[in-house]
Order: sequence, then structure tokens, then C-alpha cells
Amino acid sequence: GQNIDQPTEMTATEGAIVQINCTYQTSGFNGLFWYQQHAGEAPTFLSYNVLDGLEEKGRFSSFLSRSKGYSYLLLKELQMKDSASYLCAVRDIPSGGYNKLIFGAGTRLAVHP
Amino acid sequence: DTGVSQDPRHKITKRGQNVTFRCDPISEHNRLYWYRQTLGQGPEFLTYFQNEAQLEKSRLLSDRFSAERPKGSFSTLEIQRTEQGDSAMYLCASSRGRTGYGYTFGSGTRLTVV
Repeated sequence: GQNIDQPTEMTATEGAIVQINCTYQTSGFNGLFWYQQHAGEAPTFLSYNVLDGLEEKGRFSSFLSRSKGYSYLLLKELQMKDSASYLCAVRDIPSGGYNKLIFGAGTRLAVHP
Repeated sequence: DTGVSQDPRHKITKRGQNVTFRCDPISEHNRLYWYRQTLGQGPEFLTYFQNEAQLEKSRLLSDRFSAERPKGSFSTLEIQRTEQGDSAMYLCASSRGRTGYGYTFGSGTRLTVV
């Protein structure tokens, strides 16, 4: 089976940096995704990691360590609009093939002035 | 291209009634997915289509749920004899091939069963 863990809630200050962690257990890992979801809206794609290392995209970066079953999403220069839920999702070939993503419960981030 | 469209945005129904939701994927996307999301949880996989073929259906899905994708374009998700436990956000997503960029989600249909 699969298990994905991420903190339920986090708070941070505008302009600061926050790191959202995700740990996972899969039998056939084939990629990890981060999505952003504002309340009442659809999830939107942020990043994709399939190899170890850091992927940087503007203010957002995502890191993956396959040996540790660990990823983090790093948000820099936080803005109020970054207040949202951040969903970690993995593609696990034995359980879902290339087509099904398995999502964690999400981390609700609140950015304060 | 206006993204993935879902209709209706909100649906309130009485327990025992049937409901049907529609999803229009991005036109060049051949893969379409239905997910369900309850408050405070991540999306949970329901079913997946490649073109018009339904290739996978979650074991968590009861026989009251059925999905179709005629002609490989839009898709419908029907829930028969709704129960209060069916109350959730129903999300549709589409993708083109084995994309490394995940899905594009629609805005969802929020179902409330009273």
C-alpha cells in the first residue's frame, strides 16, 4: 500500500521562507507532485520531481530524496496569496500505474502580515 | 482553451435522489480522471478514462456510482440513490499521455446530500 504524511497546518509571516515536508511509502515510486489548492478551488500544479535533488521554479522549490522517501516544498518571499493548502501526491506504479496519483491530506498554510 | 470545465458547481439533493455531473476536459487531453475530496483531505481516486475506455475504477466505489465518456470527449459521473456520505467535492482532471506535469483539474462540483 501507500502512505503519505504531511503536517496538517503551518503558519508563517509575510516575506519569510517556509518548508513543507512530505514523507511517503510506496512499493514502486515513479514521481512526486506538489499542488496548491485555495479554499473552494481546484488544485493547481506546482512541481514534479522524479529524480533526487532540487527543482527550482521562481519563489517555489521542491526537493526529493528517493532513498529517504522524503520531499519538501520550499516557498520563499511569502505573500498573503500563498495562504492555501499544499498537496503532496505520488505516482506509485504497482498500485496505480502511470495514471493515478495518490494524494496526501494536504498542509494548510496560513500567511500572516 | 478554457481548461477543464465542470457543471454544476454546486448541487444540493435529497437523500435517495440520483445526480449527474459533467466534465469537459481540455480538448487535446486523451486522459480523464474523477476524484472525490472531502473537507480536510486530499483528492481520492475514483476512476480513469483513456479516450472513451474506462480503464480503472476504484474498489472504494460502490455500484451506485457510474461514469461514462462517450466518444472520448466529455464525461459524466452519476450517483444513484445518494447517501449523506456521498457529500463531497467531485473533481475532474485531464492529462495528455504520461505527462510529467500531472493533471489539470477542474473547479469541481460540490455535492451536498440532505
